[in-house]
Amino acid sequence: SQQGEEDPQALSIQEGENATMNCSYKTSINNLQWYRQNSGRGLVHLILIRSNEREKHSGRLRVTLDTSKKSSSLLITASRAADTASYFCATDEGYSTLTFGKGTMLLVSP
Amino acid sequence: DTEVTQTPKHLVMGMTNKKSLKCEQHMGHRAMYWYKQKAKKPPELMFVYSYEKLSINESVPSRFSPECPNSSLLNLHLHALQPEDSALYLCASSQGPDRVEDTQYFGPGTRLTVL
Repeated sequence: SQQGEEDPQALSIQEGENATMNCSYKTSINNLQWYRQNSGRGLVHLILIRSNEREKHSGRLRVTLDTSKKSSSLLITASRAADTASYFCATDEGYSTLTFGKGTMLLVSP
Repeated sequence: DTEVTQTPKHLVMGMTNKKSLKCEQHMGHRAMYWYKQKAKKPPELMFVYSYEKLSINESVPSRFSPECPNSSLLNLHLHALQPEDSALYLCASSQGPDRVEDTQYFGPGTRLTVL
């Protein structure tokens, strides 16, 4: 079953701009993860934020988590054309099973 | 080696064929997963193997039959598939459910077309 809902479904920006994607979920979670998928390929893990964390950084990525609102956001700063991909949030409710959101398709134009 | 490999990359099969998808990892991971992904949709979990035992079957039709011969290998046997089964089939592995933070490593997928 799909738990996460990403917003927006698609995002088109210019290189150098920031990209923000949002994710909402419905149940209690152990952690929330973000994955990237290049067209028709496997997913790559980007970042994990625990349920007791509010913000986490990794390079140009910044993730926030608001468990009271059951929402998370992924910010990519200074975007590059190579960031063009689909981005999925995934919630871990335990036992290592992930439930993926619908995803945001990001297009970064040179 | 931090890679999950999948073979074949592409597979075209008829509805009466029997074929198998293969997945391999050498990271010492104890959990392995099969996902199905339709175009422009998120991955949907099909099966989970934990310590070589099937722990989760997400009500997948019996025409899909998983097998875990050992801790490094995961197969998905296909028989009498339907055209709507055409999709990208992704394999993933992780250290296992006893980890507090368990991230999954995905293979590149097998693009399956059922005629």
